[in-house]
Amino acid sequence: ILNVEQSPQSLHVQEGDSTNFTCSFPSSNFYALHWYRWETAKSPEALFVMTLNGDEKKKGRISATLNTKEGYSYLYIKGSQPEDSATYLCALSGGSYIPTFGRGTSLIVHP
Amino acid sequence: DADVTQTPRNRITKTGKRIMLECSQTKGHDRMYWYRQDPGLGLRLIYYSFDVKDINKGEISDGYSVSRQAQAKFSLSLESAIPNQTALYFCATSGSGTGNEETQYFGPGTRLLVL
Repeated sequence: ILNVEQSPQSLHVQEGDSTNFTCSFPSSNFYALHWYRWETAKSPEALFVMTLNGDEKKKGRISATLNTKEGYSYLYIKGSQPEDSATYLCALSGGSYIPTFGRGTSLIVHP
Repeated sequence: DADVTQTPRNRITKTGKRIMLECSQTKGHDRMYWYRQDPGLGLRLIYYSFDVKDINKGEISDGYSVSRQAQAKFSLSLESAIPNQTALYFCATSGSGTGNEETQYFGPGTRLLVL
């Protein structure tokens, strides 16, 4: 089982603020990194999957970058809105790895 | 209709009872997973199955068993429920390729309370 760490554990921002958080993982034998968004009382839903060093993905105001050599991914939210409030999970998958999730970053956006 | 369904959605049971949580999927995926979620601990993998004849223990399999009845069905059983198995349980599926095909699709969750 891989060690996938996310920081910070929780984050409170004001509406309109831009924010970012981190997913760290072992850099050796990397296959794929996934970001999921998990709203309260709902199920996790996929945001992005990244496989190559330097990958950048974007969906609306949310974007993500990947650095496989140093073992981290950043998720950015530009101009946070209350509807962005959720827990954001990252996960590693691929090869012989059991899919492994980090504990998530809980984002609360205050109006 | 939802691609991944779980039944029941909520369940209250007593210590020592045997219960089964069921998961069905219409995505045609080979891989299925059972997770539990506890506050502050994220998602922890209980069991996973990469095809109908493949069953593997995850991080926290003690006290649980599973059955892969068909490609589309994966059930989780608690043989003798105990209070610390009170949690939110998620079933998920994924394809068997790489990259985007490994994206997991989650069911709506089953909230279990063991008294």
